[in-house]
Amino acid sequence: KNEVEQSPQNLTAQEGEFITINCSYSVGISALHWLQQHPGGGIVSLFMLSSGKKKHGRLIATINIQEKHSSLHITASHPRDSAVYICAVSGDALNFGKGTSLLVTP
Amino acid sequence: ETGVTQTPRHLVMGMTNKKSLKCEQHLGHNAMYWYKQSAKKPLELMFVYSLEERVENNSVPSRFSPECPNSSHLFLHLHTLQPEDSALYLCASSQVWGETQYFGPGTRLLVL
Repeated sequence: KNEVEQSPQNLTAQEGEFITINCSYSVGISALHWLQQHPGGGIVSLFMLSSGKKKHGRLIATINIQEKHSSLHITASHPRDSAVYICAVSGDALNFGKGTSLLVTP
Repeated sequence: ETGVTQTPRHLVMGMTNKKSLKCEQHLGHNAMYWYKQSAKKPLELMFVYSLEERVENNSVPSRFSPECPNSSHLFLHLHTLQPEDSALYLCASSQVWGETQYFGPGTRLLVL
């Protein structure tokens, strides 16, 4: 069993929809990371958080340390948001989820 | 453009070849990472260097040999690879281990 579980695995949404991607982990962590990988392979770090909530443009990330759970929200989704979103946790080691593949259609 | 570059971007090699992947960062970071990403699998951390010292080696076969000559450069030397080693190899750097990582564009490797 992977120590980092993401859901859903695949997600299709229409432009403008509010999107939520979830991440649960089973190990102690010092920080949780959300990454975005576009079809060409390039990875961009979106957020690093250890508590509470962070916002950057239309993206919001939250974490609940007690419940070992994080969510990534995208408001007013756009086709350019189509990508794979990866959750990773860092503690004694760095563990990655399998990613959520998001497709936003016009 | 993240400040992390990787060369080559694409590589095709035979199982008996020896090749090297190069990663360079111009961000003044002290930690550098090699990852492997195979189709339909999570990112796999291969090696971590912090202040030019290897701090993590995740049971990677010896046919992969990393080298960090200075804090700006990281190499992955490849020899006698197998077809199952075909994957996207990503380099990343961060200010210190565990902090936000900046990824290079990756090298897509095909082993024939």
